[in-house]
Amino acid sequence: NAGVMQNPRHLVRRRGQEARLRCSPMKGHSHVYWYRQLPEEGLKFMVYLQKENIIDESGMPKERFSAEFPKEGPSILRIQQVVRGDSAAYFCASSPRRGSSTDTQYFGPGTRLTVL
Amino acid sequence: QKEVEQDPGPLSVPEGAIVSLNCTYSNSAFQYFMWYRQYSRKGPELLMYTYSSGNKEDGRFTAQVDKSSKYISLFIRDSQPSDSATYLCAMSAVAAGNKLTFGGGTRVLVKP
Repeated sequence: NAGVMQNPRHLVRRRGQEARLRCSPMKGHSHVYWYRQLPEEGLKFMVYLQKENIIDESGMPKERFSAEFPKEGPSILRIQQVVRGDSAAYFCASSPRRGSSTDTQYFGPGTRLTVL
Repeated sequence: QKEVEQDPGPLSVPEGAIVSLNCTYSNSAFQYFMWYRQYSRKGPELLMYTYSSGNKEDGRFTAQVDKSSKYISLFIRDSQPSDSATYLCAMSAVAAGNKLTFGGGTRVLVKP
């Protein structure tokens, strides 16, 4: 399966704990986007990363949320001190390059975070 | 007002009917327009991708973009029960790094 991989698929955390969500892009893709889908709402952009660089984090909450895409390994979305309002589905998408008319983003299956 | 508006539905049609979906938007910088299909508790799956105004056809799917009216449409011909899903429109602009702005999604039910 050469698609976008996300793990875990389901994650349960208690308030105040940390959540770490992982995303491995499609082979050959070096651009990663994270989106959040709250219950009964559409997907909202959070952050756009390339290897070792955050390109756009305009959709990321200012506190408790961080993201990285290291030279080796998957992209990580980290949520510290989770609250019930963080319960949502978090989707990762990847694309091969930026600024091209052939760019498209392919989504992973998502991680469903539940905060108790 | 949201940047991208999409009727949430549900839109219920009999099998074999044409499904007509649409989105309106307010940001004239959008250049790329996409339709995704999302089954319950799954990730969005890209259906159609169009650039600027015009029509694009792929099998049973036809996407239309009217930039002058800031209006996009997706038509599904000969609908099947397996087409029952939520359909999301999405848009992007190169200047904004190709981040996608989504509509809220329209839930479609195709009844056998």
